[in-house]
Parts: sequence; C-alpha cells; structure tokens
Amino acid sequence: QQQVKQSPQSLIVQKGGISIINCAYENTAFDYFPWYQQFPGKGPALLIAIRPDVSEKKEGRFTISFNKSAKQFSLHIMDSQPGDSATYFCAASYSNSGYALNFGKGTSLLVTP
Amino acid sequence: KAGVTQTPRYLIKTRGQQVTLSCSPISGHRSVSWYQQTPGQGLQFLFEYFSETQRNKGNFPGRFSGRQFSNSRSEMNVSTLELGDSALYLCASRAGGGQETQYFGPGTRLLVL
Repeated sequence: QQQVKQSPQSLIVQKGGISIINCAYENTAFDYFPWYQQFPGKGPALLIAIRPDVSEKKEGRFTISFNKSAKQFSLHIMDSQPGDSATYFCAASYSNSGYALNFGKGTSLLVTP
Repeated sequence: KAGVTQTPRYLIKTRGQQVTLSCSPISGHRSVSWYQQTPGQGLQFLFEYFSETQRNKGNFPGRFSGRQFSNSRSEMNVSTLELGDSALYLCASRAGGGQETQYFGPGTRLLVL
C-alpha cells in the first residue's frame, strides 16, 4: 500500500521554467516531509524538508508548499536548469517509526536547453 | 566528514545463494537504515538499526536480515536469493535521537541470475 502518492511520473520543462511536483499522503501521524534528488548511479540526496507546522519553506530555487488540511505537499523548482534533470522523490515519516521513510514513486524531470 | 560508504558497489549472484552487503555510516551517526530500490516498487524501507538493535522493520520476508556492530557499521544479509531480489540496496545514516535527516550511500547494485 503506497502511503505517499506522487505525480507526475515524468516532467519535461524548458530551461528557466518552473517545475512542479505534487505529493499526497493519508497517514496524519507523518510529521516530517523531505524531498530527495537522485542522479543515475547515485544514492538519493536530501534537497529540502518541511514539518507540518510550516506552510512553505524556501531554499534557493527550491520551495516546498505544504497543505496540512488537504494532506498534500509540493516541490517547486524555479528557474529550472539542465543540471536539475534527475529523479525527485517525496517522502514522509514520523518520529515513532524512527523516521523510516515512505517514498513516493518518483518523478523523472528533464530540463531542456 | 566522509559520507556513507557501501561495499561492494556491484554484485552478481545466482538464485538460491546468499549475499551480505556492508554499510559504514557517517562518523558519529548511530542509526542505519536499509532500503530496496526497484523500478517497479520504487524505494521501500527494509529495516533500521540503532545502537546495535533493530528498531523498525518494513514488510519484507525473513530472508532479509541485518545487524549493526558497536562501531555503527551495519550489514544486510539476503538468504536464498530470488530473481526478484535484483535491486539497488541503499543504506542511510542518521545521527539518531531527534535528528530526522537520513543521508544515503551510493548503494549496492545486486543482480540475481
């Protein structure tokens, strides 16, 4: 049972555009929501994370928007660059589980020049 | 600090064999988690070890086991390998306590023939 649903599965954006990836969850016990970026042949790398008491968090070109009532959160990549082309995973976890990550299925992002 | 290291990076085994994978966490980190990544199922949590004790376990058969040593290094073992065990096995290191961020290693690519 997929606890975190992620969309779209793939995304093509032009250089300079905005990439938007959406995730939804059901378990209201989740209290930590990270996004990971993965390049081919590499392990996932933490990009940005948010807790549910915050509605938005920005780090450079990356922003997480969080809607607790809708149980949804999204990643916005502003001014997308070809170097951003990678697979992005949203995840959710909670402290009582030792922060075991429940991942979405991933979004393959391609930023064209 | 050095990152999470995993050995070996690549492994080829045949059905019915067993395999042991190794993970060295970031220095000072006490929690090690293991994840399986496949194209079909995505990233799935296997188990977490903290201070040599398994604290949390995902939904995998008993053929998958692990352990953690006093220096926090961890090993994962898969017995009686099946074709479906072919995957990228990722180790993630976490400081422990209330620190929720997990840092992933590059993974071990296992191919079962």
